[in-house]
Amino acid sequence: ETGVTQSPTHLIKTRGQQVTLRCSSQSGHNTVSWYQQALGQGPQFIFQYYREEENGRGNFPPRFSGLQFPNYSSELNVNALELDDSALYLCASSLTLTGTDTQYFGPGTRLTVL
Amino acid sequence: TQLLEQSPQFLSIQEGENLTVYCNSSSVFSSLQWYRQEPGEGPVLLVTVVTGGEVKKLKRLTFQFGDARKDSSLHITAAQPGDTGLYLCAGDRKNAGNMLTFGGGTRLMVKP
Repeated sequence: ETGVTQSPTHLIKTRGQQVTLRCSSQSGHNTVSWYQQALGQGPQFIFQYYREEENGRGNFPPRFSGLQFPNYSSELNVNALELDDSALYLCASSLTLTGTDTQYFGPGTRLTVL
Repeated sequence: TQLLEQSPQFLSIQEGENLTVYCNSSSVFSSLQWYRQEPGEGPVLLVTVVTGGEVKKLKRLTFQFGDARKDSSLHITAAQPGDTGLYLCAGDRKNAGNMLTFGGGTRLMVKP
């Protein structure tokens, strides 16, 4: 069984640019969540997708957007990058969106905004 | 302001010592999870506690969920260098499914 994978591993962008991060869910998982983890902090919930629909959103501005595809892979898009967007972006997939259902995290994409 | 406050933020101890990490909130959680994260990797689930007052053991790790389901603790007995890492607590609030709220983390270093 393949685990959660993310691409790219590292990315450097400049302020004002746009970025797309990708996540491939674990096989059979229809729920994917995205988190932002700034250096030295715990992850912050960005949004969650369930069967291609956004199911919930954290306290992030609209320039953070996402997609989930029929194969349940997912993208996180960030427009008009700001310096504070520099962080590790984690995606996590789960079999369902039940609270106690285990989430499996990918290794993350390290984004640096200069 | 973190909804879940973890303490301490950093902990450096010698091999063989015991330690406790705390995760506190003013909010009630349906369940609370503990993760360990190593550099360059995503968090890995250690345990989920669901019932107020619940205690779970995982080898040398003991997890407890507070009676009011607002706080939790992780106790490690006889710490080993392999326990080194970032420990994160995360809760799911009622009706929020598995959209997790994480604490700020406790970075543990165990020296041989």
